[in-house]
Amino acid sequence: DTEVTQTPKHLVMGMTNKKSLKCEQHMGHRAMYWYKQKAKKPPELMFVYSYEKLSINESVPSRFSPECPNSSLLNLHLHALQPEDSALYLCASSQGTGRASEQYFGPGTRLTVT
Amino acid sequence: AQKVTQAQTEISVVEKEDVTLDCVYETRDTTYYLFWYKQPPSGELVFLIRRNSFDEQNEISGRYSWNFQKSTSSFNFTITASQVVDSAVYFCALSGSSNTGKLIFGQGTTLQVKP
Repeated sequence: DTEVTQTPKHLVMGMTNKKSLKCEQHMGHRAMYWYKQKAKKPPELMFVYSYEKLSINESVPSRFSPECPNSSLLNLHLHALQPEDSALYLCASSQGTGRASEQYFGPGTRLTVT
Repeated sequence: AQKVTQAQTEISVVEKEDVTLDCVYETRDTTYYLFWYKQPPSGELVFLIRRNSFDEQNEISGRYSWNFQKSTSSFNFTITASQVVDSAVYFCALSGSSNTGKLIFGQGTTLQVKP
């Protein structure tokens, strides 16, 4: 089973709202990722968790707050977002963070900030 | 510096035509991995293939084939007898220098297969 699930599929939120994106995998992977993807662009890495610890933060604004409650779950908490944060947010997982590890992606959450 | 270039922004073919998507990469590492992902309109990136820098054998999987040439730093992807379901954005990616999980993505090639 190479499935990564994400909820919700679509999210519309105002700039003062607080919301969370959720990601789950049951492949026993120990690395999980958040990406942001704008239309007609490649995914941009935001965060990497390795063994439930944050290993990479790509200088992401603090209005995005990741959380890894356990090895299967990854959350992204959103607060005081800007309209330019509207994008497709993709979660991915891999066995580890080694160079050979292929990443498996979820279907994404399409976020619109109004 | 590491870089992946997919020079073809958009390609349009008619069903049953063969199509090749180009990928050129730059890296100073001697050990590295290359990947191809497919992103259909639904949004999910689907892993297609991984190739390491020491294996220059071409690979075939059904209608898909990949040609890896270190001499030209290229890892091209060919779809034979294309189908409408092949319509998607295809990304080539290179693993980062360190074991961080970082992938260097190309800009992607949008393939449209018309019936």
